[in-house]
Order: sequence, then C-alpha cells, then structure tokens
Amino acid sequence: GENVEQHPSTLSVQEGDSAVIKCTYSDSASNYFPWYKQELGKRPQLIIDIRSNVGEKKDQRIAVTLNKTAKHFSLHITETQPEDSAVYFCAASTSSADGLTFGKGTHLIIQP
Amino acid sequence: GAVVSQHPSRVICKSGTSVKIECRSLDFQATTMFWYRQFPKKSLMLMATSNEGSKATYEQGVEKDKFLINHASLTLSTLTVTSAHPEDSSFYICSARGSGGTDTQYFGPGTRLTVL
Repeated sequence: GENVEQHPSTLSVQEGDSAVIKCTYSDSASNYFPWYKQELGKRPQLIIDIRSNVGEKKDQRIAVTLNKTAKHFSLHITETQPEDSAVYFCAASTSSADGLTFGKGTHLIIQP
Repeated sequence: GAVVSQHPSRVICKSGTSVKIECRSLDFQATTMFWYRQFPKKSLMLMATSNEGSKATYEQGVEKDKFLINHASLTLSTLTVTSAHPEDSSFYICSARGSGGTDTQYFGPGTRLTVL
C-alpha cells in the first residue's frame, strides 16, 4: 500500500518568514495530494490540493509543488502569521474512490 | 457548502458496551464516506471506505465485526464500535466525498470516544 513520509515533525519559524514542509510517497499510482491544517481538537481543514497532472498550484500565501518523478510534494507558506500555527498533514490517494494515506504531520510554530 | 457533521462529539462508555457514531453530509450528497481514527498527537489512519448501499471496505488490520459501518443513505454513515474496550478509546473522524468524481474529502468534527 501507499506510504507517505513527512518532514519535519516540528517547524518553528519567525513571523513573516516562510515555512516549507516536505512529503514523499511510495505509490507511483497516487494522483491526488491534499494538504490539511488541523488545530488542536478540531477537524482537519483542506488548505490546498494538487493533482498529478499539475506541477504547482498557488493560493495567496500558500503553494504546493509536485515532482512526480521523485515522488515528492511540498507545502510552502509565505509571510507566516500567528494564525498559521497548527499541525499540517500531507496526504495521498490513488483515486477519488480511495481513502487518504496521511503523513505523520508537522507541528508548525510561528514565533512572534 | 460541503459541511459534514458528526454526532456525538464526545462519548464515555463502559467496557463491553457498544457505541454508535453518526456522520452526516449536510448540504451535499456523499456517494462515499470514509472513517479515520486518530490517536493523540498522531496522524489519521484510514479504517474503512463506505459507499452508499454497499458493504464497507476495511483496511488491513481493522476488524469489521468490531467496527460496524452502515451507509444507508447518501447523507448518512454510521460507525458502531461493538463491545468497546479501553484500547478503542480514540478520536474517530469521518469524511465525505461528493458525487461527480471529485477527489476532495470534507471532514467531520470528530468524536472523542473514551472507554472506561
């Protein structure tokens, strides 16, 4: 089955700086890669996703890049703000009918 | 749009009892719903995939007789934890995927189960 590795497990950045979280996946058939933000005790919220026919996608301060050859994808957050502090999960799936395989999460801490 | 609810949000039960958790898509029809389990400060683990009107597909290692899943309508899926034990204590989260072949999954708020 699919295996998703996520790094780092904890990331502390100064407010205003950029944050990058990286994930790798094992199943070359995976074609959908969402990123979720989860605050303590709350539901995961989709922040951005990318499909395998696209190399990069951007939404305001958030961007995701995908390298299918290397089987890795990354989340980039620019101009970080205190409200960006949360746990971020990457995930992968092979089809819309399948559930998601999640990475272990990154605890992002924005230092004021 | 794309709101998913879960009920109850928290439940405490005695060992050996059964607990039912409901997952509803409030403003869309969900052809597929998924059930995940999340331990404290850990990632989400897929337990099963549920399609309306058919039997659920369970992930390897998940006991289908212990975690009963029913998806009787396009807006409701239920997870019943049978004969619960303390090791079943966890955060159970459902997600729903709309019709039309979309990949996006919308998550419910989760149910915190504590088995005494």
